[in-house]
Amino acid sequence: AQKITQTQPGMFVQEKEAVTLDCTYDTSDQSYGLFWYKQPSSGEMIFLIYQGSYDEQNATEGRYSLNFQKARKSANLVISASQLGDSAMYFCAMREADSSGTYKYIFGTGTRLKVLA
Amino acid sequence: NAGVTQTPKFQVLKTGQSMTLQCAQDMNHNSMYWYRQDPGMGLRLIYYSASEGTTDKGEVPNGYNVSRLNKREFSLRLESAAPSQTSVYFCASRVSGNEQFFGPGTRLTVL
Repeated sequence: AQKITQTQPGMFVQEKEAVTLDCTYDTSDQSYGLFWYKQPSSGEMIFLIYQGSYDEQNATEGRYSLNFQKARKSANLVISASQLGDSAMYFCAMREADSSGTYKYIFGTGTRLKVLA
Repeated sequence: NAGVTQTPKFQVLKTGQSMTLQCAQDMNHNSMYWYRQDPGMGLRLIYYSASEGTTDKGEVPNGYNVSRLNKREFSLRLESAAPSQTSVYFCASRVSGNEQFFGPGTRLTVL
């Protein structure tokens, strides 16, 4: 069965340092997508970055990059130059297609990141 | 352009009561989704809908029903609420791209 695993319940990072949030996945599909979302204390879900299974380059969006290692089935989020506003819960998610080809998504349990001044 | 809207924002129910959570999107998206978020559990898919008139069960559908009467709206109904349904409920939508757009969530407490 498809599964997303985030093994770090909580992480601390010093302001301006880089941090890596881990995500591993399990799927038998050849075509899939991996996502990271940020959920600040206000509760909304904010899309950060996407990586397709056939993308050869690692995705980057500003200070966010996704370290995609297909053979290891990992999709770690790297945040460079951490800011206090990065303190939030971060969710890794995977897109999979059902039998009719409709996309649905599964989420990991999240990592709570705290940036220290 | 409001994106995805959800009503109500907060609700308290007594065990056995029924209610409907409303979700609407104005982005002309085809696919819509309902999730619940519990502490330590991440988001779990309850139901989803690929298009108007179609719905499918997700990971945790028991105790819920949904209705997709038109392209804009996707409602989630609790027929007989239970304390185990205390959660934050998120609606999301998606068009042809990969990204989902989420609503602000409904915080439901069942006493």
